[in-house]
Amino acid sequence: DIVMTQSPDSLAVSLGERATINCKSSRSVLYSSDNKNYLAWYHQKPGQPPKLLIYWASTRASGVPDRFTGSGSGTDFTLTISSLQAEDVAVYYCQQYYSSPYTFGQGTKLEIK
Amino acid sequence: QVQLVQSGAEVKKPGASVKVSCKASGYTFTNYAIHWVRQAPGQRLEWMGWINAGNGNTKYSQKFQGRVTITRDTSASTAYMELSSLRSEDTAVYYCARGQIGVAGTHYDYWGQGTLVTVSS
Repeated sequence: DIVMTQSPDSLAVSLGERATINCKSSRSVLYSSDNKNYLAWYHQKPGQPPKLLIYWASTRASGVPDRFTGSGSGTDFTLTISSLQAEDVAVYYCQQYYSSPYTFGQGTKLEIK
Repeated sequence: QVQLVQSGAEVKKPGASVKVSCKASGYTFTNYAIHWVRQAPGQRLEWMGWINAGNGNTKYSQKFQGRVTITRDTSASTAYMELSSLRSEDTAVYYCARGQIGVAGTHYDYWGQGTLVTVSS
C-alpha cells in the first residue's frame, strides 16, 4: 500500500498569513502514461464530510477560492493557503488515487493563531 | 445540483451485518462511480471499495475483502454498502463519494453526509 504522510500534524496561522501543508507518498503517484500526479487535497470541518479542494495535484476544484494552491510531483506535494481566512479552519487531508487501496494522509489540523 | 443522501445511523451487535444506502440525484447515475470511505474515531479516512454504477463492476480493498459487498440499483440511482461480521473496530462514519469511471483511481468531487455505524454489545 502507498503510505501518505502529512506534516505538520497541526498548524496555527494568523488571519491573512500563509499556511503550508506538506504531503509525502511512499511511492511516486505520477502516472507516466498521462503525466498526471494522482493526488488530491480535501478539507473537513467538524460534523461535515470532506470537501474536494485540489485534484491532479494542482487543479483547483470548482468553486474553490484561488487562495488555495496545490503543487509538487512524484512523491512530494504541498497545499498552500495564501491568505488564511476564518472559514479555512479545518482538518486537511491528502489522498493518492494512483493505486488501490487509495490511501489518505493522517490529516493536518489548521487553526487560527 | 448533485447530491448524495445516505441512510440514517445504525447500531449493531458484534457479528451482525449493516447495509448503508447512498441515493444520488442531480446527475446521470450510471456515468460515474460510487466509492465508500470510512472514518473511525481518531483515525484517518479509509477507502473500502467502489462500484462502477454503469456496469456494476466492483473492486474492494484487500482489508475488507470477503466482508464488504457494494451493489447498486440503477432504477433508484442508489448504491449500497453491506459490511458483515461486524466488530467493535468497525464503529465509524461511513461515507459514499462520487468518482470518475476510469482505469486508475479517482478523486471524489461529491460526498454523502455520512452514516454513523456503531458496533456494540
